[in-house]
Amino acid sequence: EAGVTQSPTHLIKTRGQQATLRCSPISGHTSVYWYQQALGLGLQFLLWYDEGEERNRGNFPPRFSGRQFPNYSSELNVNALELEDSALYLCASSFVGGRGTEAFFGQGTRLTVV
Amino acid sequence: SQQGEEDPQALSIQEGENATMNCSYKTSINNLQWYRQNSGRGLVHLILIRSNEREKHSGRLRVTLDTSKKSSSLLITASRAADTASYFCATDPDGGKLIFGQGTELSVKP
Repeated sequence: EAGVTQSPTHLIKTRGQQATLRCSPISGHTSVYWYQQALGLGLQFLLWYDEGEERNRGNFPPRFSGRQFPNYSSELNVNALELEDSALYLCASSFVGGRGTEAFFGQGTRLTVV
Repeated sequence: SQQGEEDPQALSIQEGENATMNCSYKTSINNLQWYRQNSGRGLVHLILIRSNEREKHSGRLRVTLDTSKKSSSLLITASRAADTASYFCATDPDGGKLIFGQGTELSVKP
């Protein structure tokens, strides 16, 4: 069974540009989560999508947005990139969103903003 | 601020020794999970313990949970060089999102 897949693996953008990161969940999983792991800051929760709807959002500005498609894959968009957006972006999926379920993570997209 | 806080921040042991990592959290939880991350790659789920459980085993892993002290520990027995990684605890105080601690960096020397 394929795990959570993320693309691209690496992404280099210039300050002010937009970045689009993609995530395909494990087959049968309806919930997708996005996390940012910046150096020295640990894993920060960004967004949770379930059944196509945004269910929860972390403490990030509106230029971080995303969506979930009917096939449950998801996109994370970061507009007006800033240098501090450089980080590893991790996507996770679970069978049932919310309490008591384990999340399975992809290998991440490393975004570098120059 | 992070819900979970692991200690120690870094741990270095010899192969064959046991490694113990602790996690403390602030609010009530439904469950607590432990994950492993190898050098900046994705996280691997290790074990989930529910709030009504006190101890759980999985292979060489033993997790305990003390909800009265809001703390958990992860014990890796007979460690191997391949166990070298960062270990994170995560809680779900707010439906759907996992809150991670800063992690413990474990180094197992052959």
